[in-house]
Amino acid sequence: GAVVSQHPSWVICKSGTSVKIECRSLDFQATTMFWYRQFPKQSLMLMATSNEGSKATYEQGVEKDKFLINHASLTLSTLTVTSAHPEDSSFYICSAMLRSGTDTQYFGPGTRLTVL
Amino acid sequence: AQSVTQLDSQVPVFEEAPVELRCNYSSSVSVYLFWYVQYPNQGLQLLLKYLSGSTLVESINGFEAEFNKSQTSFHLRKPSVHISDTAEYFCAVLPQGGSEKLVFGKGTKLTVNP
Repeated sequence: GAVVSQHPSWVICKSGTSVKIECRSLDFQATTMFWYRQFPKQSLMLMATSNEGSKATYEQGVEKDKFLINHASLTLSTLTVTSAHPEDSSFYICSAMLRSGTDTQYFGPGTRLTVL
Repeated sequence: AQSVTQLDSQVPVFEEAPVELRCNYSSSVSVYLFWYVQYPNQGLQLLLKYLSGSTLVESINGFEAEFNKSQTSFHLRKPSVHISDTAEYFCAVLPQGGSEKLVFGKGTKLTVNP
């Protein structure tokens, strides 16, 4: 149980275009989802916390207008990278909690974004 | 605020040798502790966690970690590693009763050589 999927797993796009990444909890309802960014050979950097039905909470330094997060249902959160640039190329990972206030986050397999 | 220090960025070992991946943390409040493993081009998988009770926790694939409150450590150990254990290992803490944000260490790359 507690499986989280991401789609797509790999995407290449041109500079200036927008890319949407989906994060789904497959066998549970997730009131809270998290979006992370991971640079090569580095740890995960939390970008934002997404709560179903409300606006995402962004970490300091993360541009909310560039990284649009929508948590429309208890099983789906999306991250849209708007007007992508090469420096946005990274590995994006989402995670979900079974319920708020619990201890364990379950991670998706990640999405590798390459912006040309 | 919390911080997590993984003292070794890379640990090379030979197959069937024992290994210890070190993790120390600092926090002004009590925390839960986690080890996650990341295989190449994949997301993170929970390896084991300490919430309360026995300070020694084990995973299904032979890893164990011991919470040492006085030393604020949560080192990960395995008595005999396999080639398939080659991966990146992340230690993380979660403050109890407050923020739901995990704080990660920078990771330790474990490479098991034949």
